[in-house]
Formats: sequence, structure tokens, C-alpha cells
Amino acid sequence: AQKITQTQPGMFVQEKEAVTLDCTYDTSDPSYGLFWYKQPSSGEMIFLIYQGSYDQQNATEGRYSLNFQKARKSANLVISASQLGDSAMYFCAMREGSGSGGSNYKLTFGKGTLLTVNP
Amino acid sequence: GAVVSQHPSRVICKSGTSVKIECRSLDFQATTMFWYRQFPKQSLMLMATSNEGSKATYEQGVEKDKFLINHASLTLSTLTVTSAHPEDSSFYICSAGAESRNTEAFFGQGTRLTVV
Repeated sequence: AQKITQTQPGMFVQEKEAVTLDCTYDTSDPSYGLFWYKQPSSGEMIFLIYQGSYDQQNATEGRYSLNFQKARKSANLVISASQLGDSAMYFCAMREGSGSGGSNYKLTFGKGTLLTVNP
Repeated sequence: GAVVSQHPSRVICKSGTSVKIECRSLDFQATTMFWYRQFPKQSLMLMATSNEGSKATYEQGVEKDKFLINHASLTLSTLTVTSAHPEDSSFYICSAGAESRNTEAFFGQGTRLTVV
């Protein structure tokens, strides 16, 4: 079974509107972390937001927020007020374990969602 | 913030030659680094875990003799693609974590390898 599932290969959104990118995960480890990365055509991986499994509140970073529904094992990314520069590939990823010690930064990635922002 | 630098960003090599890719943590020590591979329009797939001072741990299906990993210091890991073939053409990217910041894994800029 896939550990990270992103069901939307592509998404379109109008500039200035909000968009939700879906991500579901599968793990039996009670301690885990969920990440969202943006990958523009240049290939670099740009960190957007992180949610820990024990975090009580949904993470927010500027225009990015994470809709964390633990019981459903979902961690959807919400981008508000989309901008043309948001057009890129978006990856959801998971780290299993507490995150202490360098070995716990091994991430499993979903297949990604290609977001296109239309003017 | 923590920075990981990867070099070169692009490389073209002939079939049968070897290519070395470097991954450096610039402002933190990384006992563990990770090497991923990404084919066009696909996800990142973990190839191996690079451990400072010991042998790398390879994921299933990754040829350890073809993808040599050396992690000789706390700030440098290298991936050498030996006897490269056109099918090795891909985007290779490394990452590392800083223990003081466990909410982010830092990635290098990636290396686009083309084998001709």
C-alpha cells in the first residue's frame, strides 16, 4: 500500500482564489511528521509547511495552511490567494518516527500534484 | 537557516564514464544524508541513506556497486554514478536534517544528469 497518496495529478486555479491539494497517508507509527514541498521547473525542493502527529493545531505559514485530519489520515494543503508564481509541482511527504537524530529525516513522497494558476 | 549545497547542478557525460555528485551541509553537521532520484514527471524515490563514517544503506532495487556513496565527513556526502548508461539519466537530489530543527528536511539544488 502506498504510504502517501495524492489523488490529483493536476489542478487548476484562478489567480487570487484559494486551492486545496489533497494528501492522505498511511502509517502505524504514532509519531510522524507530514511535509509539503513545492518543486518549480528548476527542480529545487522548497519547503512549505510541516505538521507533527502530536500537534494540536493545524499548521499555518503565510498563505499556506495544512488541514490536518488525523482520524482520516489526511493532510491537505490549502493555498490562499493564489499567485502566478505558485504554479509548480507540489509534493506531500511523510517522516515516520520522532524526528530526533538525522536518520529520521528519511521522507516518503507522494506522486505530486501539478498546480497551474491561471491569470 | 540551514543550507544544503549540491554540485554540479547539471552534468552531461558519455556512456561508460563515472560522475561524482557532491552534497554539502553548509552550516550544520549532518551525520545522515539521503539521496533521491527523480525521473521526469515522477516523484522522488529514495535511493540510499548516507551515514557518516560507515556504509550507506541502499533501498531495495538500487545497485550499490553502481551508485557509490561516500560520507567521509559530517558535512559532505558524495554519490558516484559508475559506468553510466543513458538509463541513468535522471535528476538526483540530496537532503539532510539538522537536529536542532526537526520540522524540516533540507534539500540540495539537485543535479540533472544526462548520459549520452
